[in-house]
Amino acid sequence: DVKVTQSSRYLVKRTGEKVFLECVQDMDHENMFWYRQDPGLGLRLIYFSYDVKMKEKGDIPEGYSVSREKKERFSLILESASTNQTSMYLCASSPPDRAITYEQYFGPGTRLTVT
Amino acid sequence: AQTVTQSQPEMSVQEAETVTLSCTYDTSESDYYLFWYKQPPSRQMILVIRQEAYKQQNATENRFSVNFQKAAKSFSLKISDSQLGDAAMYFCASPTISNFGNEKLTFGTGTRLTIIP
Repeated sequence: DVKVTQSSRYLVKRTGEKVFLECVQDMDHENMFWYRQDPGLGLRLIYFSYDVKMKEKGDIPEGYSVSREKKERFSLILESASTNQTSMYLCASSPPDRAITYEQYFGPGTRLTVT
Repeated sequence: AQTVTQSQPEMSVQEAETVTLSCTYDTSESDYYLFWYKQPPSRQMILVIRQEAYKQQNATENRFSVNFQKAAKSFSLKISDSQLGDAAMYFCASPTISNFGNEKLTFGTGTRLTIIP
């Protein structure tokens, strides 16, 4: 079974702090994704990566950056956290040799609260 | 912008009955996959069913089936013999193009399904 893990289930940070959310997958997937999930808005893509050191903007990249130094790990960085970044963050990965729009496997999510 | 629309924010169904969740999408792709995902309360999002667009036959996975109408860009999920464990948020997903011109999977806003014992 594919396993996607996220470093924290719950996180509370203060406004202005630098925040790192980590995601690791164990199935040698090339494509990895970061979403935020808000009630009534569904999942919105922040960034994705199709290979090590490669990244592409999703729909809402402002205020976020990402890092992919190793194939299995994809980090989301909030350079200076703000209260409007309070949300559930979901990481996902998808298999190699498939379109970027193929089925994705999700982690359990990190609920981030910025106070 | 290309969108995925789930017009039913909430639905409920009696245990053992059948329920259908609606989804319409808008993609410019010619060959693509469509997906339904399930997110139980406080649990991980998992795939329920996938449909390949060039296949005319509707996909089926046990009690879950889809009604795929390609021309109408409609992709509904039917759950038969509903069980308490089916209670979850359900999301449909379709390929679209992001604001930055990248191909991506777009998710609907979700339908919260409640099962009434």
